[in-house]
Amino acid sequence: QVQLVQSGAEVKKPGSSVKVSCKASGGTFSSYAISWVRQAPGQGLEWMGGIIPIFGTANYAQKFQGRVTITTDESTSTAYMELSSLRSEDTAVYYCARDQGVVPADWGQGTLVTVSS
Amino acid sequence: DIVMTQSPDSLAVSLGERATINCKSSQSVLYSSNNKNYLAWYQQKPGQPPKLLIYWASTRESGVPDRFSGSGSGTDFTLTISSLQAEDVAVYYCQQYYSTPSFTFGPGTKVDIK
Repeated sequence: QVQLVQSGAEVKKPGSSVKVSCKASGGTFSSYAISWVRQAPGQGLEWMGGIIPIFGTANYAQKFQGRVTITTDESTSTAYMELSSLRSEDTAVYYCARDQGVVPADWGQGTLVTVSS
Repeated sequence: DIVMTQSPDSLAVSLGERATINCKSSQSVLYSSNNKNYLAWYQQKPGQPPKLLIYWASTRESGVPDRFSGSGSGTDFTLTISSLQAEDVAVYYCQQYYSTPSFTFGPGTKVDIK
């Protein structure tokens, strides 16, 4: 089974950017989609975008187009999600998740990003 | 965009009793070419990431107890917990992946013990 380990919690100022990493171990990294999903405090799950490492092209939710960039580094089996122009509403736990071929099945532990002045 | 709704928002069920959660999509998630419903269910406990329970509307993920079952087709789906256990207290989300590579989640249903 794939294990996904995410980078640690971040505190950011409004207007700045954050980059969260997600390192995979066990299993094949390149062939399965990696998605990023966020969850604001007390709220539901929101898909932000995803990428299949072997293809390299990311797809983004319309809501985040222009503000989010998802990339991968196959040499280290790591995926990244960078969110720019942060505002207080971006305070959330950010998860990476890997498909089992159909839908996200393996999830990272989550990274809390707090946006505060 | 496909919008997912769930009902009820929350429910409380006695231990050993049945819990039923409904999910509705704003358009059909049944793909006619393979006759598969692109609908999944997740369980999320406090402080944990979501856990995949069911995909293709009714296929249990490996290791998921058989008290969890999914049914439905087209736009209307149901997750049933046949005999609620204490460890099933969680929020349950449906998710459509018909519009893959993008997907959307329902708002969630909280399940508690009565």
